[in-house]
Amino acid sequence: GAVVSQHPSWVICKSGTSVKIECRSLDFQATTMFWYRQFPKQSLMLMATSNEGSKATYEQGVEKDKFLINHASLTLSTLTVTSAHPEDSSFYICSARPFAGKNTEAFFGQGTRLTVV
Amino acid sequence: KQEVTQIPAALSVPEGENLVLNCSFTDSAIYNLQWFRQDPGKGLTSLLLIQSSQREQTSGRLNASLDKSSGRSTLYIAASQPGDSATYLCAVPEGAQKLVFGQGTRLTINP
Repeated sequence: GAVVSQHPSWVICKSGTSVKIECRSLDFQATTMFWYRQFPKQSLMLMATSNEGSKATYEQGVEKDKFLINHASLTLSTLTVTSAHPEDSSFYICSARPFAGKNTEAFFGQGTRLTVV
Repeated sequence: KQEVTQIPAALSVPEGENLVLNCSFTDSAIYNLQWFRQDPGKGLTSLLLIQSSQREQTSGRLNASLDKSSGRSTLYIAASQPGDSATYLCAVPEGAQKLVFGQGTRLTINP
């Protein structure tokens, strides 16, 4: 299957600082990538849809000024958690599809564990 | 609004047993259904994708079925092994390309 890579796998930061997470599609181009958040023992919740060359689309309740998304190329999307606080500590996972359309398989990165202290 | 439910939430069986994981969804107008595996602290690994026109899909010891009209899918694991221990998630697309996930079934295979 297609490969989606996230970096870093884990990060610890101080409260008030910003953290950037990268999501790359290694062997395909993705005009759209997705960012999910997962709390312990819970399922994945979509945060936003990242669109190459345009603004991201955020789900209801997700602060776009806090979770900045940039999709500058067809193989890279970044999520920046600005002014992080302990409640932002979570597992963040990105996803992409090698082919556009609703019938195609989605592939996920390995996730990033963010801990804000 | 699409809702996805998985039962049981957790399952523990001895090695070698065959088992079935269940997934149900409220809106039957789906394009496909995807089963994933998630190991602790890791991302998701795609196991099987069933298109809406298909009844089942097989990969090795895994077999997934889909009954759109009743809003159900099952994941059958044959001859379970300790390495199968993980959380299994099912998901269906909603809207443009967004995936809606179930809460997952945490599977433990005991040696």
